[in-house]
Amino acid sequence: RKEVEQDPGPFNVPEGATVAFNCTYSNSASQSFFWYRQDCRKEPKLLMSVYSSGNEDGRFTAQLNRASQYISLLIRDSKLSDSATYLCVVNSPNTGNQFYFGTGTSLTVIP
Amino acid sequence: GAGVSQSPSNKVTEKGKDVELRCDPISGHTALYWYRQRLGQGLEFLIYFQGNSAPDKSGLPSDRFSAERTGESVSTLTIQRTQQEDSAVYLCASSTLAGVATQYFGPGTRLLVL
Repeated sequence: RKEVEQDPGPFNVPEGATVAFNCTYSNSASQSFFWYRQDCRKEPKLLMSVYSSGNEDGRFTAQLNRASQYISLLIRDSKLSDSATYLCVVNSPNTGNQFYFGTGTSLTVIP
Repeated sequence: GAGVSQSPSNKVTEKGKDVELRCDPISGHTALYWYRQRLGQGLEFLIYFQGNSAPDKSGLPSDRFSAERTGESVSTLTIQRTQQEDSAVYLCASSTLAGVATQYFGPGTRLLVL
């Protein structure tokens, strides 16, 4: 089983739509969770950390479900500029201090 | 402040040649990671350094790959006797603490092995 799994999509949504991505992780000891955004031919950039109680940053909301071992990202009022690949990142404290990246979920926001 | 920088930004080489890729982390960041990303694929962990501790080399795909870091500064990733399957973007990231803190990525080095 992969350490981190994401639905690759693609998700094609109209402007203004709400879209949600999930990511499951296999290591119950994981403590640090992030969502990154990667534009085509660019490096990944941090979108937001994911906190145990859930957190919001503008149109973006991240949630953590430890019992089911998944994290989610909700994007409200989608903009054309949200089109990108969204990467789920999870640490692995009991197998070294690596981070494991999901393969990403592709989002295209359509005018 | 300055972010993570990598050089060269692009490298074209012939099969069998050695290449050296450089990463300058954010000043003060004790952790430094190298990843490989093949076209259309996810990030593949290669190696990380945390301060003066022994590096975690568990992701290096073969003994043709090696990396060094001087203290908490520059790191170089060396690929010996390059193969066509080494063609990828090599990304470097740094953070204040390995395995916990946010990683900040450099722009990557695009390597093409002919």
